[in-house]
Amino acid sequence: SQQGEEDPQALSIQEGENATMNCSYKTSINNLQWYRQNSGRGLVHLILIRSNEREKHSGRLRVTLDTSKKSSSLLITASRAADTASYFCATEDTGRRALTFGSGTRLQVQP
Amino acid sequence: DTGVSQNPRHKITKRGQNVTFRCDPISEHNRLYWYRQTLGQGPEFLTYFQNEAQLEKSRLLSDRFSAERPKGSFSTLEIQRTEQGDSAMYLCASSLGIGNEQFFGPGTRLTVL
Repeated sequence: SQQGEEDPQALSIQEGENATMNCSYKTSINNLQWYRQNSGRGLVHLILIRSNEREKHSGRLRVTLDTSKKSSSLLITASRAADTASYFCATEDTGRRALTFGSGTRLQVQP
Repeated sequence: DTGVSQNPRHKITKRGQNVTFRCDPISEHNRLYWYRQTLGQGPEFLTYFQNEAQLEKSRLLSDRFSAERPKGSFSTLEIQRTEQGDSAMYLCASSLGIGNEQFFGPGTRLTVL
């Protein structure tokens, strides 16, 4: 079953703008991972944030984690047309090793 | 290419036939996972291995599904007596140790006619 929900389900922005996607989950977690998926392709790992971390950066990506609110956000700065994809958050729940995915945010970056 | 590889990339079969998919993980990774993804949804966990031991199976993994990782390296996922509802993308991932990144392969897209 799906663990959490991404919000919004779909997002359309202009190239150069920032994109923010949110993820909520329900259980205690070891870590939370963000992935990108282009249409019909495999998942590309973007960033992992552990339960004792609050913020991580990787290039144009910034991820935050609030375990008290059971939520995370992914910020993509200065978006490019090539960022067009679906973005998924996935949690590794305490006591398990498998990932539980949300239903994703479909991002469209207009050139 | 040192990433996760999966074969075949596409499989079309008729209902009732058996199919087998293969996953080759990143070479030093001891954990291997299978997920299934249907259109418009996130992946759903099926099963995972630590080395050759199958440690967890989802209730999604009916008795028509079987997975193996005989030598702790590559893995196979077999679906017997396929049904149209089995049509999906089957994804394999691998990781090193506990609590680390899971890296996914390109997936095998199954279409059951």
